[in-house]
Amino acid sequence: EAGVTQFPSHSVIEKGQTVTLRCDPISGHDNLYWYRRVMGKEIKFLLHFVKESKQDESGMPNNRFLAERTGGTYSTLKVQPAELEDSGVYFCASSQKLAGSYEQYFGPGTRLTVT
Amino acid sequence: AQSVTQLGSHVSVSEGALVLLRCNYSSSVPPYLFWYVQYPNQGLQLLLKYTSAATLVKGINGFEAEFKKSETSFHLTKPSAHMSDAAEYFCAVSAPLYNFNKFYFGSGTKLNVKP
Repeated sequence: EAGVTQFPSHSVIEKGQTVTLRCDPISGHDNLYWYRRVMGKEIKFLLHFVKESKQDESGMPNNRFLAERTGGTYSTLKVQPAELEDSGVYFCASSQKLAGSYEQYFGPGTRLTVT
Repeated sequence: AQSVTQLGSHVSVSEGALVLLRCNYSSSVPPYLFWYVQYPNQGLQLLLKYTSAATLVKGINGFEAEFKKSETSFHLTKPSAHMSDAAEYFCAVSAPLYNFNKFYFGSGTKLNVKP
């Protein structure tokens, strides 16, 4: 079974440009999460999808960030326009909707550098 | 609200020595607790989890953790460190019955194993 995949693995862009990160969850996982780790600090929650619906987007930093999950499969996270403080590692995770499970399966992350 | 504190951003042990990585949590509701490990250039991998069953939890690669409610702790231990244990370890807390399994992470502990 394939794990959570993320693309690209690294992205270097200039301030003001746009970047789109992609996450493919484990097949059959209804729940998809985005997290971000900035400068060796804690990994912070950004948002949570259940299928194609945004369940919780309380962690999104501002309106420069837009997440979508069309069709309830893969998800994209767009940053437009990027700022220096957006640099960090963006993780995607997925989980099944099964009672008693609850662990999240994480992808390798996308390292975003804004210069 | 939930939060996690990991004491020690870097821990160094000798091969064969005891590994002890500390995690204290704060939660206003019964928590679920997790330890994840991240090897270089890889995603987060689940080591073990506490979900209100046995307080002593055994995980993969010889790791275990004990949930101590009175101390609000969930420290990770391994009796004998291997070189392959060198990685970054993350403690996380969630309250899935209350906020859809959003994870709150600590800032991580990098484990160095000396020969």
